[in-house]
Amino acid sequence: KNEVEQSPQNLTAQEGEFITINCSYSVGISALHWLQQHPGGGIVSLFMLSSGKKKHGRLIATINIQEKHSSLHITASHPRDSAVYICAVILPDKLIFGTGTRLQVFP
Amino acid sequence: GAGVSQSPSNKVTEKGKDVELRCDPISGHTALYWYRQSLGQGLEFLIYFQGNSAPDKSGLPSDRFSAERTGGSVSTLTIQRTQQEDSAVYLCASSYRDRANYGYTFGSGTRLTVV
Repeated sequence: KNEVEQSPQNLTAQEGEFITINCSYSVGISALHWLQQHPGGGIVSLFMLSSGKKKHGRLIATINIQEKHSSLHITASHPRDSAVYICAVILPDKLIFGTGTRLQVFP
Repeated sequence: GAGVSQSPSNKVTEKGKDVELRCDPISGHTALYWYRQSLGQGLEFLIYFQGNSAPDKSGLPSDRFSAERTGGSVSTLTIQRTQQEDSAVYLCASSYRDRANYGYTFGSGTRLTVV
């Protein structure tokens, strides 16, 4: 069993839909990253959070440390949101990555 | 610089040749990591530098891979006698020591293709 599990693995949506991507982990962590990877391969950190909820534009991330679960929400999704979204948990000396969720948003 | 800079962005090399990939981290970041993402695979840890401590090389897949970090700043990942299975995107990330508060910043990666 992977230490970091993401669901779903693949997600398609129509433009405007509300998107939720889930991340569950089994290790004790200090914080968690949500990352976005576009087809070219580069990675952008969307959020780093250790408790509660953060919002940036149409993106919202929540984390429940006790339940070892985090969610990434995209409101009013748009084709440019199409990418791979990766959850990464922060341990003292390394990151452990989820396998990613491939999101495709169609117009 | 404003972010983590990696070069080259793309590299095509012939099997058996050596390659060097460069990472220039954010100034002041004490920790530097190299990761690899092969086609269709997740991110794989390669090596970790923290300040002047001995690097954690536990993720390097073979002795053809090596990395150094000069002066606690720029890092070079060297792959000797490249093989086709080395084709991947190589990502560098850097962080302040207090990763729980500052997180990581990733470079845009080097796409290596071994033909």
